[in-house]
Amino acid sequence: DTAVSQTPKYLVTQMGNDKSIKCEQNLGHDTMYWYKQDSKKFLKIMFSYNNKELIINETVPNRFSPKSPDKAHLNLHINSLELGDSAVYFCASSRRWTGGAFQETQYFGPGTRLLVL
Amino acid sequence: RKEVEQDPGPFNVPEGATVAFNCTYSNSASQSFFWYRQDCRKEPKLLMSVYSSGNEDGRFTAQLNRASQYISLLIRDSKLSDSATYLCVASRSNDYKLSFGAGTTVTVRA
Repeated sequence: DTAVSQTPKYLVTQMGNDKSIKCEQNLGHDTMYWYKQDSKKFLKIMFSYNNKELIINETVPNRFSPKSPDKAHLNLHINSLELGDSAVYFCASSRRWTGGAFQETQYFGPGTRLLVL
Repeated sequence: RKEVEQDPGPFNVPEGATVAFNCTYSNSASQSFFWYRQDCRKEPKLLMSVYSSGNEDGRFTAQLNRASQYISLLIRDSKLSDSATYLCVASRSNDYKLSFGAGTTVTVRA
């Protein structure tokens, strides 16, 4: 059984469009994350939810809006897509958010490869 | 200065060789360290957690040097299947979120 799943795996779209990526985890974890991995391979945290509450909101354009309908799901909606949004977006989950120096292991989904033309 | 810095490599080694590489982290108060492995066009997968001075898991040994703020990963008896990018991870200074290095690429040749 897939632990962390994302849909779609590939997304090719035109500039200016609005698109959503969905993520689901069946690990019973409390905390979920969205990361962006650009062409230089850096994984950068974008958002995190703990039990449906937003706990991490990095300096991300407000065209990006996460939504967590329940603790097993975290979706990412992107408005007015731009060329620079092309990247691989990874969802991840961890057992809990400690809010302290010790952090739990994160488990990643397969990624969504977004290409904006 | 980046939170986590790694030598990008690539490290090209023959099968059976030992390969080792380091990463440095900027937050002296970091308590959580991980090595993840990422295959081409795949997601990062946890290889090892490093919580004390270091640990060993089969052919993989991780060492943590808090005084010099670096973590090392050593792979013994390299296999072709060890070819991947290895991501070093440490918790961030201001908010303890995980910060990922850009990765060290290892290629094991037959």
